[in-house]
Amino acid sequence: AQSVTQLDSQVPVFEEAPVELRCNYSSSVSVYLFWYVQYPNQGLQLLLKYLSGSTLVKGINGFEAEFNKSQTSFHLRKPSVHISDTAEYFCAVSGSGYSTLTFGKGTMLLVSP
Amino acid sequence: KAGVTQTPRYLIKTRGQQVTLSCSPISGHRSVSWYQQTPGQGLQFLFEYFSETQRNKGNFPGRFSGRQFSNSRSEMNVSTLELGDSALYLCASSLAGGGNEKLFFGSGTQLSVL
Repeated sequence: AQSVTQLDSQVPVFEEAPVELRCNYSSSVSVYLFWYVQYPNQGLQLLLKYLSGSTLVKGINGFEAEFNKSQTSFHLRKPSVHISDTAEYFCAVSGSGYSTLTFGKGTMLLVSP
Repeated sequence: KAGVTQTPRYLIKTRGQQVTLSCSPISGHRSVSWYQQTPGQGLQFLFEYFSETQRNKGNFPGRFSGRQFSNSRSEMNVSTLELGDSALYLCASSLAGGGNEKLFFGSGTQLSVL
């Protein structure tokens, strides 16, 4: 069985400040890791994914994430946030079989001027 | 390319009724998955279809069912609605439904059960 823990339900931050959204996962098998973003009244959009190889993954909109196998973590970072980054961010895992995602509870990123 | 289209966008039903939600995947995508999103439980997997066959199912009661047509369009049905079924239902499509694939999500159907 797989599980995902997003340690912060809300992260308030000022515009142009750096941000880190934390994600830890648990799985007995190798997994693929994803970060999705959900803007108000919309579906989810993929930010980035880790499949294998380099542990630092770059995504869209200036986001990046680092896979740490020993700490079973996949934290999302952005060096400088914009107001438009205000949204809910979901960390997710899937196994090597079908594309069944197990999501964390989400982290609401609130960017203020 | 058109994105994933879900209809209707909003639905209001009363307890005991049944409801059908529709999802049209991106052209060429053969895998369609459904997720339920609620404030309390978050995003939970319902089921996944590929080439008209259900390949995987989440932990939901039998009142939740789905199907996929030969053109990859999918429907999900909820019978005997309960208040707790109020949620945003999201459909996602991908090429073949592999665990390493990007899922493309629709905007969802917001179901309110009164």
